[in-house]
Order: sequence, then structure tokens, then C-alpha cells
Amino acid sequence: LAKTTQPISMDSYEGQEVNITCSHNNIATNDYITWYQQFPSQGPRFIIQGYKTKVTNEVASLFIPADRKSSTLSLPRVSLSDTAVYYCLVGESSNNDMRFGAGTRLTVKP
Amino acid sequence: KAGVTQTPRYLIKTRGQQVTLSCSPISGHRSVSWYQQTPGQGLQFLFEYFSETQRNKGNFPGRFSGRQFSNSRSEMNVSTLELGDSALYLCASRAGTGGLAGSREQFFGPGTRLTVL
Repeated sequence: LAKTTQPISMDSYEGQEVNITCSHNNIATNDYITWYQQFPSQGPRFIIQGYKTKVTNEVASLFIPADRKSSTLSLPRVSLSDTAVYYCLVGESSNNDMRFGAGTRLTVKP
Repeated sequence: KAGVTQTPRYLIKTRGQQVTLSCSPISGHRSVSWYQQTPGQGLQFLFEYFSETQRNKGNFPGRFSGRQFSNSRSEMNVSTLELGDSALYLCASRAGTGGLAGSREQFFGPGTRLTVL
């Protein structure tokens, strides 16, 4: 399984765009990149998933360069309620082992 | 559609005891996975069940076991509890028959917080 590396923590202010980058140098051809959000005392919640280029949904965008060795989760105009831990996962669609890294603790300040 | 439910939400046990946690997946979901979350180790995959069969297992000792019933409900059991087993145990369900890591359909429950004294 590809190992992921993310910043331990990030701070931002309300209304700003936040970009969290995840490194996955050993990503395999069949691996997808998935991001989850977790609030305290709750289970993680799926945010977005992609394979290459750019994916956008109503919550976030995911940018994946051509070499796929990293990915960037972009949260537009964050609010206080976006304060959470964000996890980047890399894995193959046929692989049933899901490994969460340490995640990035995002703190949004007023 | 109701979400993933876990019972109980909180549990206090003493060392040496055993515990059983329950998870009811979203209706129609056939896959149930279990995770352990601790401040020191983060979120760690325990095992996944699909159609009553364990499909994959994480790196945990044999004291951790699980099963899935024909209605897709799942239970997780931990025997001979140790202090280090204190954690938030999360259950997640998904509908697809494909692999877990590439699936976007995994939904987590609120977890069971286990405290071992």
C-alpha cells in the first residue's frame, strides 16, 4: 500500500481557501486517492475521490498532477465548521485494506 | 435512509473482561468494516466482512474477532481486554462489491467509545 504524508496541522481564517497537500510517492497504477473529514467523536465522512487531473464536487476540489505522486484537497471559503481532521488515503479498488494516515488537523479561526 | 448505527455508544470494562460491539449497516449495504481509533495510533483497520465472510484483516492480535450475520449486521468481539484497547471503535458500511480502498461509498457510524480500567 502506498504510504501517505500530510502536514500535521494547518490554520486558516474564515472565508479563505485552504489547500491540503498529500504526498504519495509510491502510488500504484490502480490506486485511487480518497479524502475523508472527521469531526471530534464522530466517524470519518467521505469528501472526494479521484484518479487523475481534477475532480470537483459541492464540497471540495481535488487536484492530482500527471505523475500522481501527490494530491491537493482544496476547500473554498472555509468556515468555522470546517475545523476537523482531514485524511488522505491511497489504495487500489480491489484492495480491501484501508489505511488512514495521521491526517491534517485544520483549524479555522474567525 | 438511516445511517450506520453502533451500540452501545459508551462502554466501560475492566482488564481481562471481554466485550462485544454491534453495528447495523445502512439498509442494502453488504460490507461492514471495523476500525480502531486511538490518539496514539490514529485510525487503524481491523477487518472487513462481506456476505458473512471476513474478506480482509488488519494487523491486530487474535483477541480481536468479528462476525457478520445474514442481515449484514456485524459484531466485533475483544477478549481478555487490555488497557491499550481503550479506543473509539468505528464501523463503516458500503454497498459495492468492489474493493474497499477505491470505493467512494463507505459510510461511518458514530463509534463506540470503550474504556478499559
